[in-house]
This record gives sequence, structure tokens and C-alpha cells, in this order.
Amino acid sequence: GDSVTQMEGPVTLSEEAFLTINCTYTATGYPSLFWYVQYPGEGLQLLLKATKADDKGSNKGFEATYRKETTSFHLEKGSVQVSDSAVYFCALTSGNTGKLIFGQGTTLQVKP
Amino acid sequence: NAGVTQTPKFQVLKTGQSMTLQCAQDMNHEYMSWYRQDPGMGLRLIHYSVGAGITDQGEVPNGYNVSRSTTEDFPLRLLSAAPSQTSVYFCASSPYLTGRTDTQYFGPGTRLTVL
Repeated sequence: GDSVTQMEGPVTLSEEAFLTINCTYTATGYPSLFWYVQYPGEGLQLLLKATKADDKGSNKGFEATYRKETTSFHLEKGSVQVSDSAVYFCALTSGNTGKLIFGQGTTLQVKP
Repeated sequence: NAGVTQTPKFQVLKTGQSMTLQCAQDMNHEYMSWYRQDPGMGLRLIHYSVGAGITDQGEVPNGYNVSRSTTEDFPLRLLSAAPSQTSVYFCASSPYLTGRTDTQYFGPGTRLTVL
């Protein structure tokens, strides 16, 4: 079945460092791909998305490109801030059911 | 616009008790779903609905029931609580057009402990 694999965390960075969180997927058909972020004690909120191959999603300085040839959707940010500390989830929508399938999440901690 | 609301925020149950987690949305979304979040396992789909009167099972449906009598509400019932159901539960909603969902909007979660 469809699945998402994320790099294991936690990831600890200093402020202004470059961030990459790897995400690869397995899916039949043409899924939409998402990154969600969960700040401490809160629910998930959409960070960015891409709906077809070669699309680039971007928001708040974060970017991810839908790479069909490598089945990847890696999250990047050029300069992280302490306020970016959160758990990041890669996800895809599966087929026509609308089910959202999540990776296990990657915890990011940014130190001043 | 309240978005997706969930009640209660916290709940402690004893093994064998039953309860209902409430979820409501005011965005007129057809698609609603319930997830549970456990450490190191991401979010797993429990049940989902593509419209009033239509529900289906997700990845981990055992021990849970749902119904969808209105577009706005999607309650999750625990029939006989077990310690394995200790988790954080999230409700989400999304538009559902031509068989595909778009961005899902999540509620703030319910933290459930079963003793």
C-alpha cells in the first residue's frame, strides 16, 4: 500500500543553519504531497503542498519539490529560527479515497 | 469562523468505560476524519467520512465507532476503553471534490488516558 518514510529525528540545529528533512514515498497513481507542522501542544497545520510532478511548494521560507523520478519531497529552509522548532510531518493523499497517509514525523529543535 | 473544534481537550477513563469524542467544523467540508497520534508512529487514520450518512474504516478502526448524521459533526465513540487507546486524537476536515481531498484542517486534539 501507499506509504511515506521520513528521516528520523530529532534534528538539532543552530539558528541560521540550513535545514533539510528527507521524505520519500511509495504510491500508485499521482498523489498530492504535503508537509504539515505541529508546534508544541497544538494540532497540525499545513506548511506547504504540491499536487503534481515538478511542482514546488513554498511557505514561510520553507520549500519542497515534488520529484516523481526519485519519489521524494524533501523539505528545505535556508536559515532556520528558534521559532521553527516543531514536529514536521510529510504526508500524501492516497488514490480517490482522500486518505492522508503520514510519515512518522521529524522533531526539529533550533538552538539560539 | 471557528474551523475544526474538538471536545474535550483532556480526558481520563478507566478500562471498560465508554465515551464520545466530539468534533465539529463550520467550513461546510464534505470530508472528515479521525486520527490518533502515538509517539514514533505519526498519525494513523481511524475512520473517515466523505459526507453525511457515509463512513468508512481507516487503518486502525477496532474499538471505535463513528456516525455522520450532519455535515458539521463527526463524533468518535470508544465502546469499551482499553489502555492501548491512550493517545492524542485529532479530527480533521477537508473539501472533497471529484473524489479527491485537498488540504486537511485539523482540530486542536483530545488527549485521552485510559487507566
